[in-house]
Amino acid sequence: QQQVKQSPQSLIVQKGGISIINCAYENTAFDYFPWYQQFPGKGPALLIAIRPDVSEKKEGRFTISFNKSAKQFSLHIMDSQPGDSATYFCAATSSYSGGSNYKLTFGKGTLLTVNP
Amino acid sequence: DGGITQSPKYLFRKEGQNVTLSCEQNLNHDAMYWYRQDPGQGLRLIYYSQIVNDFQKGDIAEGYSVSREKKESFPLTVTSAQKNPTAFYLCASTEGWGDETQYFGPGTRLLVL
Repeated sequence: QQQVKQSPQSLIVQKGGISIINCAYENTAFDYFPWYQQFPGKGPALLIAIRPDVSEKKEGRFTISFNKSAKQFSLHIMDSQPGDSATYFCAATSSYSGGSNYKLTFGKGTLLTVNP
Repeated sequence: DGGITQSPKYLFRKEGQNVTLSCEQNLNHDAMYWYRQDPGQGLRLIYYSQIVNDFQKGDIAEGYSVSREKKESFPLTVTSAQKNPTAFYLCASTEGWGDETQYFGPGTRLLVL
């Protein structure tokens, strides 16, 4: 079954701290792993994404770490800010699904609260 | 500005009524998707379409129908057969053909009266 398991379900961090969200997948055909950020009442927006040919990708305060052998990947938010408070979703898809369609399998989300 | 628009923002459905949610994109993307979001459940795929006049069921298609008569439009109808329609509905699109980035609309919240 194509699943992506995400943890924790919720996370509270102090301003300036590090937020870490973890995901694990089962389907070895997955080769594209994006993270989405969603604010209340809004649609998700792509935050950062990684492919299995690298073990880490950093964009500003956001870093994805990827462990292909363990089939796990994680999002690290450095120097967390109150404005980072949102729901974060990990996802996965296979580039070999063909054509124009890239169906994403999503984790269930993590509600991050950053206290000032 | 290019993007995805969804309307209405809020929609109320009476028992036994069919309602249609609108999704329009001006990104010239080939593929479009409909997701349902419930608290603590993540995003679940309802239907998706790769090209005009073609669409496929996702994981939770029962009680829903779609059409893709134009590249830029992918409306979702929530039928009376969907017994628990209260949710946040999200439309998305991908350019496809090597670009997997999925762009989302602002969503429609459907409530049952």
